[in-house]
Order: sequence, then structure tokens, then C-alpha cells
Amino acid sequence: EAEVAQSPRYKITEKSQAVAFWCDPISGHATLYWYRQILGQGPELLVQFQDESVVDDSQLPKDRFSAERLKGVDSTLKIQPAELGDSAMYLCASSSLGLGEQFFGPGTRLTVL
Amino acid sequence: GEDVEQSLFLSVREGDSSVINCTYTDSSSTYLYWYKQEPGAGLQLLTYIFSNMDMKQDQRLTVLLNKKDKHLSLRIADTQTGDSAIYFCAEGAAMFSGGYNKLIFGAGTRLAVHP
Repeated sequence: EAEVAQSPRYKITEKSQAVAFWCDPISGHATLYWYRQILGQGPELLVQFQDESVVDDSQLPKDRFSAERLKGVDSTLKIQPAELGDSAMYLCASSSLGLGEQFFGPGTRLTVL
Repeated sequence: GEDVEQSLFLSVREGDSSVINCTYTDSSSTYLYWYKQEPGAGLQLLTYIFSNMDMKQDQRLTVLLNKKDKHLSLRIADTQTGDSAIYFCAEGAAMFSGGYNKLIFGAGTRLAVHP
């Protein structure tokens, strides 16, 4: 069964360092989402791509976060510099249509010390 | 603004029915969803309901929607220990530009199933 892949699964870093997360969506899925899930809360959308274009990044803290999906397939989310409050689970999801079911990856758990 | 609220915790006995409740605020939501998250894992879509429906049944799962009160519930029949997880309610807030589906999640209800 096709799955959304994410790496790394766990990342520990010190504040002010740079971190990057990678996501490979299900093959053929044009829409890709990055969510942040703080412990005890539900996921919050950070950025949404349709192919290689950003369609919603209204909740992305653009002073330190960046996301790209250069060829419209896999995607990278970067944080530079990391802050203590960035500790969270970062989830990637993909869907085949803009209104379609979103399939989630296992997430990357980030701990900032 | 959009907001989704859920009770935080539910404990049930194995074999009983579980009912998880959710309220939402955006009356323009097209779809309402229930996701399940097991420890350390991503979210798994359990079921969804279109906003013009009142009820949807899928095996052990029954979703009830009261659009007037903006209330959604998930009933799990014959709850098993494997159902222990966090359950998230989400509303689909269609964006005007392109009609893309932005999901707004609740904080999740932790379901504990005991013998």
C-alpha cells in the first residue's frame, strides 16, 4: 500500500541551529501539506502546495521557516534558526485532489534544547 | 474564526460503545472528518461526512451530524482495546482560491479502553 514517507523520524537539535525535514508524498498526489502538531493539540497547517506552487502559507512563520517542492514531488521544510517553542511533531500529508482525502506520514518529532 | 472543540478524555469498558463529541464553528464547512492517531504515529482517516448528511455508518463506526447545532459525534460500537488512541475531529474549510481543503483540527479526545 502506498504511504507518505518522512525523514528523519526523530530530530534533536540545539536552539539557533538549522534543521530540515523531508517528505515524499504518495506517487501521483499533486497536493502536499505540512502540519505542526504541538503536544496535546491537534495539527495546524503550516503550508500547502499544489504541484510546485504554494497555495497557502498563511500560518508559516516566514522569518524562520521555509518550505519548497521544487519538482512538484518531494518537499523539504526548513527551520533556521530553531527555537525552543518549535519542539513539536511535524506531519506531512498528501492528497490526489484539492478536496480529497489527506493521507498522513508518520511525522518527524523535533526536540529543541 | 474557525474553531473545533472536543472533550479531552474518554474511558470505556471493552465491548461497550464509545461516543466522542465535537463542536465546530464554521457553518461553511463542506466535510467533517474523524481521524485516529496511535502513539508516535501519523493520523489515519477513519471516516468523514458531507455537510448535507445527518448520519453515516461504516461497520462499527457511526457519525452523526447536527448542522443546526454544529455538533458532530463518532460512535464506536463494541469498543476494543485496539481502539485506544487519540481521535481528532476536523472540519474542511474550503478556500476561496482554488477550492482547496484546509482542515481545522480539534485538540483530540484520548480514548482509553479497559477490560
